Amino acid sequence: RKEVEQDPGPFNVPEGATVAFNCTYSNSASQSFFWYRQDCRKEPKLLMSVYSSGNEDGRFTAQLNRASQYISLLIRDSKLSDSATYLCVVRNFNKFYFGSGTKLNVKP
Amino acid sequence: EADIYQTPRYLVIGTGKKITLECSQTMGHDKMYWYQQDPGMELHLIHYSYGVNSTEKGDLSSESTVSRIRTEHFPLTLESARPSHTSQYLCASSEYPPRQGMNTEAFFGQGTRLTVV
Repeated sequence: RKEVEQDPGPFNVPEGATVAFNCTYSNSASQSFFWYRQDCRKEPKLLMSVYSSGNEDGRFTAQLNRASQYISLLIRDSKLSDSATYLCVVRNFNKFYFGSGTKLNVKP
Repeated sequence: EADIYQTPRYLVIGTGKKITLECSQTMGHDKMYWYQQDPGMELHLIHYSYGVNSTEKGDLSSESTVSRIRTEHFPLTLESARPSHTSQYLCASSEYPPRQGMNTEAFFGQGTRLTVV
């Protein structure tokens, strides 16, 4: 079983739409949680950390449900520049586990 | 911008050659990682290090080897490159959480795109 599972998409949405991504993780002892963004043929870059209390950064909102081992990312008012692959990442002790990514295409 | 650098960015090399992919970071991070990623596919951990003189195999078996003689430097070596080694190799680093509950992320270099012909 994979450590982190994500819907690969793609999600094709119009500009201005709200889109939600989900992922689940298998190890209940996981300590830290993140969403990364990866553009085509580039390295992953941190989008935001995810905390149990939920956190927001502009148009992006992340939620963590430890009981269900479930992480979500909500993007409001999608922009063309949001088109990318979004990676759900979990840290267990000293190792980071990456989901396979969810591809988002924002269309004009 | 993260202070972690990989060289070369692109490498095309013949079968059987020995290659070393360089990774350096100036953040003083103890933990460093090598990931392998094929186009459109997920990242796979192939090596990691907790600090100087510490190296461990990752979750994906790899014929490459690594060394960690200095904190800032974590090179990856392939003794005899083969076409099956063609991939993107991404180096990352992170620090230990300074206290419980803090999230400390992984910072990535720009990657080395390796093609073995």
